[in-house]
Amino acid sequence: DSGVTQTPKHLITATGQRVTLRCSPRSGDLSVYWYQQSLDQGLQFLIQYYNGEERAKGNILERFSAQQFPDLHSELNLSSLELGDSALYFCASSPHDRGKVEAFFGQGTRLTVV
Amino acid sequence: AQKVTQAQTEISVVEKEDVTLDCVYETRDTTYYLFWYKQPPSGELVFLIRRNSFDEQNEISGRYSWNFQKSTSSFNFTITASQVVDSAVYFCALISGNTPLVFGKGTRLSVIA
Repeated sequence: DSGVTQTPKHLITATGQRVTLRCSPRSGDLSVYWYQQSLDQGLQFLIQYYNGEERAKGNILERFSAQQFPDLHSELNLSSLELGDSALYFCASSPHDRGKVEAFFGQGTRLTVV
Repeated sequence: AQKVTQAQTEISVVEKEDVTLDCVYETRDTTYYLFWYKQPPSGELVFLIRRNSFDEQNEISGRYSWNFQKSTSSFNFTITASQVVDSAVYFCALISGNTPLVFGKGTRLSVIA
């Protein structure tokens, strides 16, 4: 158990809908990262938050947004969903702003858009 | 730009064989960090090891060993006496500069009993 909790584990929704994925980092970790894993693109970095502030942005679509709350949990919002958004979404956490140490990953949320 | 290449897409071995997973990285930074993660069939990503760029000492942990060579920009991972439970996708990853983890495409290892 990595200590990072993601909910839900599975999500099935229709095209055009909006979903929210939730992540609770390990106790004491201030950084939260979101990654998308799809068959064709591999593991792609989406966005990082550190202590409530956005720190880095990767290949995140404009239809996607995220935030980190004062209690350090984070949510990834995906809207106007398309079939191609079907993927495994991972959250990871680490203690620091700049990742010089390993990030620990949650079990992922498997999103299926039908 | 940072890049990680895992040229082996899939490897299949018979139980008890040794297997080496290759990882080649690219970065212009002199300080960087290399990682290996394991993704078993259940789907979670499990951290295995971190290596700093200024520490080329190889590491052994049980049946796992890692060979870091800056001269060839490689960070290879060897499993000795493989077991069925080693079947998974293995990812090599890199942190350099201010970028978060950059992953390779992964190598799917199948260990056959």
